[in-house]
Amino acid sequence: DIQMTQSPSAMSASVGDRVTITCRASQGISNYLAWFQQKPGKVPKRLIYAASSLQSGVPSRFSGSGSGTEFSLTISSLQPEDFATYYCLQHNSYPYTFGQGTKLEIK
Amino acid sequence: EVQLLESGGGLVQPGGSLRLSCAASGFTFSSYAMNWVRQAPGKGLEWVSVFSRSDDWTSYADSVKGRFAISRDNSKNTLYLQMSNLRAEDTAVYYCVKDGWLDYWGQGTLVTVSS
Repeated sequence: DIQMTQSPSAMSASVGDRVTITCRASQGISNYLAWFQQKPGKVPKRLIYAASSLQSGVPSRFSGSGSGTEFSLTISSLQPEDFATYYCLQHNSYPYTFGQGTKLEIK
Repeated sequence: EVQLLESGGGLVQPGGSLRLSCAASGFTFSSYAMNWVRQAPGKGLEWVSVFSRSDDWTSYADSVKGRFAISRDNSKNTLYLQMSNLRAEDTAVYYCVKDGWLDYWGQGTLVTVSS
């Protein structure tokens, strides 16, 4: 099974900050990597697919990069509505695996 | 508009069984693989199972293999998850999720395994 190591597990930041979350796959997954945002009590929302493609309707301050085993999600200028938990997902092979999540909190 | 509506969750005793359903609309159901993903209270996301769009291929997480069975009825646009020999650690919100790219999610149904 492919393991996804996501870091950090939690972080605090201020509105306007630039933030980067990373995910490392235990073996190559090409670009079969997605990023999700989840707010408390809500359904996960896909932000990025194919490692770097922005989901329709998602603000352009979100971006994804990487291929193979190293991936990152960057928020260029944090907004109040961005404070949430973020998950990466590999869907290169079954069983699909999620990262353990990054809880982004207000500093 | 894609819609996925889960049902069938509830309280069940350890060792019991439950069947979840997911009614799909707004897309050609038979053309897409369908997944179940779960989230235990206060925990992260865990992929559970997939049913392919054709050839009846299925896959399961090790944590549910041999206890859960995924199926689909394309004539009813419905996905199912039959859960047996349930354990406390199966307590979670279960989401129905479209496609191998996990692009659309249902609202989820809560399964609580407790005596």
